[in-house]
Amino acid sequence: NAGVTQTPKFQVLKTGQSMTLQCAQDMNHEYMSWYRQDPGMGLRLIHYSVGAGITDQGEVPNGYNVSRSTTEDFPLRLLSAAPSQTSVYFCASSYSRDGGEQYFGPGTRLTVT
Amino acid sequence: GQSLEQPSEVTAVEGAIVQINCTYQTSGFYGLSWYQQHDGGAPTFLSYNALDGLEETGRFSSFLSRSDSYGYLLLQELQMKDSASYFCAVRAREVGSYIPTFGRGTSLIVHP
Repeated sequence: NAGVTQTPKFQVLKTGQSMTLQCAQDMNHEYMSWYRQDPGMGLRLIHYSVGAGITDQGEVPNGYNVSRSTTEDFPLRLLSAAPSQTSVYFCASSYSRDGGEQYFGPGTRLTVT
Repeated sequence: GQSLEQPSEVTAVEGAIVQINCTYQTSGFYGLSWYQQHDGGAPTFLSYNALDGLEETGRFSSFLSRSDSYGYLLLQELQMKDSASYFCAVRAREVGSYIPTFGRGTSLIVHP
């Protein structure tokens, strides 16, 4: 199993550009989520999904869109990048009935200039 | 809304025992998790407590008191490789039921 994979690992965008961060998991997990991590702020939830076709907003959803057309994939779209979106983005997945363990991808380091 | 409080930094010497505390406020509490993150890496799962008491996994133990909305992570026989950030995370009915909300993290520095 590859676990949770994320692409790209690094990305530099100019303000106003759009892009999609890719996330995939091969563990047949129902739950998937996107977090951003900024220094001193911990991990903040952007969007999450409890199954294919079902998504919902987390703590900091503004400026981001998600969709979940398959169990495996959960892409995060930045609609119009802003410098405030410079961050490290982590995708995670878990079973709905597990004991609390989330599996994280390696992260995408995004810089918006 | 939810909130979690944990110390921003803890320092200790190699071989010692250190405790990282976490207090939380939430409704519909399901459980408390702990994650470790080394610089530049992804968070990795350490432990999960849904019921009161102590869970032990090797050198690491985690404790939960639901009545006090409090938990801690205990690291024994500290090693240099334990230098990392440690996050507590709450699973609650407020947010997606099984999607954790994370604290801001505790940076553990282990000195020789």
